Amino acid sequence: AQSVTQPDIHITVSEGASLELRCNYSYGATPYLFWYVQSPGQGLQLLLKYFSGDTLVQGIKGFEAEFKRSQSSFNLRKPSVHWSDAAEYFCAVGAGNTPLVFGKGTRLSVIA
Amino acid sequence: EPEVTQTPSHQVTQMGQEVILRCVPISNHLYFYWYRQILGQKVEFLVSFYNNEISEKSEIFDDQFSVERPDGSNFTLKIRSTKLEDSAMYFCASRGRGGTGELFFGEGSRLTVL
Repeated sequence: AQSVTQPDIHITVSEGASLELRCNYSYGATPYLFWYVQSPGQGLQLLLKYFSGDTLVQGIKGFEAEFKRSQSSFNLRKPSVHWSDAAEYFCAVGAGNTPLVFGKGTRLSVIA
Repeated sequence: EPEVTQTPSHQVTQMGQEVILRCVPISNHLYFYWYRQILGQKVEFLVSFYNNEISEKSEIFDDQFSVERPDGSNFTLKIRSTKLEDSAMYFCASRGRGGTGELFFGEGSRLTVL
């Protein structure tokens, strides 16, 4: 069965510092991979997605993620974090018509 | 930009009462979903709906839950007799034709069962 693991429950970074949020997945076929962001009291907004091709994908708000098949990972990165990036980040996996499976999320706090 | 809209944004109900959460998916989308998120926990799949029938459902989606697309625009989730543990944020999502799997989510309906 497919699953997503986000090993970090909570991460705190300083504004301007770089960020990497980890995501590992288990999936029986070539997966489609997603990162969503949820600001407090808000819905889920898609940051970026990977379907095929270039393993480094660019998303909105300056985020990028790299698909590494050998490590079953799809880590999210940002070179310089802004205070407005403080939110909950969810990695998700799916393919075709199968429902997305989400990880438990990583809460990002940004300090001055 | 088209978006998924959900109503109500917050509903408080007594245990045992029926609740209907409403969603208007993006107009040309064909696949519809409900997910829920209990406070502080992960987003969990409830049910998917396509071609006027349930295509997949999770263990959470028991006989107390039902979904309906009563007209060409609304997609509803009904909980017949709410329990305390139904308190959660419920997200509706929709997807267009094609196999890329990207879901567009609404902002959620927070259900509080007292």
